[in-house]
Amino acid sequence: AQSVSQHNHHVILSEAASLELGCNYSYGGTVNLFWYVQYPGQHLQLLLKYFSGDPLVKGIKGFEAEFIKSKFSFNLRKPSVQWSDTAEYFCAVNVNFGNEKLTFGTGTRLTIIP
Amino acid sequence: DARVTQTPRHKVTEMGQEVTMRCQPILGHNTVFWYRQTMMQGLELLAYFRNRAPLDDSGMPKDRFSAEMPDATLATLKIQPSEPRDSAVYFCASGLLQNTEAFFGQGTRLTVV
Repeated sequence: AQSVSQHNHHVILSEAASLELGCNYSYGGTVNLFWYVQYPGQHLQLLLKYFSGDPLVKGIKGFEAEFIKSKFSFNLRKPSVQWSDTAEYFCAVNVNFGNEKLTFGTGTRLTIIP
Repeated sequence: DARVTQTPRHKVTEMGQEVTMRCQPILGHNTVFWYRQTMMQGLELLAYFRNRAPLDDSGMPKDRFSAEMPDATLATLKIQPSEPRDSAVYFCASGLLQNTEAFFGQGTRLTVV
């Protein structure tokens, strides 16, 4: 079964700082990868996804992520964060064929200091 | 604007009572997921359906939880009897088989006292 690790539990940054959140997955086959964001008190919203093709994917709000297959990683990046990026970020994976249930990491809480 | 709708948004109930949470998936989506979110465990998959048939409910305590899809526009998650440890936010999500992006509802915040 697949699993996802997010090693950064809580990240605190100042506005305009660059962001990189780590995500590693374990599964030997083909996967789809996702980053979801959850703003305080709200539901999960998709930031970006990778199914195939260019391993550098761009999402909404200036976020991007790079799939590095050899490292089983899908790190989330943003060159300059804003106070409104304060939220919890979840990496998720599902298997490309068959059981498509999403497996989530434990999440990373991001706090941006104005 | 298509969205997943969950009711109720908040529920406070006494231990031992039955709780029913409802979800209306996005029209045309054939996959429905139920997730539970707690501080301690994060997001856990409880069950999921494809074309109304349960595919995986291994994450759900069978003795008290049940999930059904009476029709394509309604998914339900029941807890009977409820316990304080069931307090959590329960999210429903829907998606299409070929496009595995899942769209989440606003969640039901359940508090069992």
